[in-house]
Amino acid sequence: GQQLNQSPQSMFIQEGEDVSMNCTSSSIFNTWLWYKQEPGEGPVLLIALYKAGELTSNGRLTAQFGITRKDSFLNISASIPSDVGIYFCAGVPNTGNQFYFGTGTSLTVIP
Amino acid sequence: EPEVTQTPSHQVTQMGQEVILRCVPISNHLYFYWYRQILGQKVEFLVSFYNNEISEKSEIFDDQFSVERPDGSNFTLKIRSTKLEDSAMYFCASGKELYNEQFFGPGTRLTVL
Repeated sequence: GQQLNQSPQSMFIQEGEDVSMNCTSSSIFNTWLWYKQEPGEGPVLLIALYKAGELTSNGRLTAQFGITRKDSFLNISASIPSDVGIYFCAGVPNTGNQFYFGTGTSLTVIP
Repeated sequence: EPEVTQTPSHQVTQMGQEVILRCVPISNHLYFYWYRQILGQKVEFLVSFYNNEISEKSEIFDDQFSVERPDGSNFTLKIRSTKLEDSAMYFCASGKELYNEQFFGPGTRLTVL
């Protein structure tokens, strides 16, 4: 199946710092979704992207659909303690018909 | 805000037993999905369901698995004869359109002893 690699694998940052993470694939994707998951809960949709180059914001979160269609980026500005969780990218490849999830980026915010 | 709901939140079963996991998708959604997440790992696609039939399934979704929409609101995942390696969180998700936003339920933690 498709592999979506996320980096970094984990981040420890101070409250107030900005965060950047990315998700890359070896093939072209048509859709990118970003989710946040907290322990014992289901993934919560943050941002959906459907077009190459698309830049979409949701509050302090901004995500971009890479122009090569093989990657996507998520930025969080001015992080706060409740940003703690695991962030997953998910996408549908242009030759596929299911969502593949990335390996996740674990974010820890130190107050 | 409408939500996907799942029951039970935790299911413990003996190896070889059948389990049925239940989901109520968001009411105006047409596409339904089951995913699995083994502890500490990524979310894995199992199956998608549309118009009362399976539209896609992964290699994980073997003959031991089945899905059903028995009425207008419930969407179920049945594992016929559970194995130890079926222990995982099982998430139901639903969406309005194919390959579009999917909204996840809180999950059912399945423990097979």
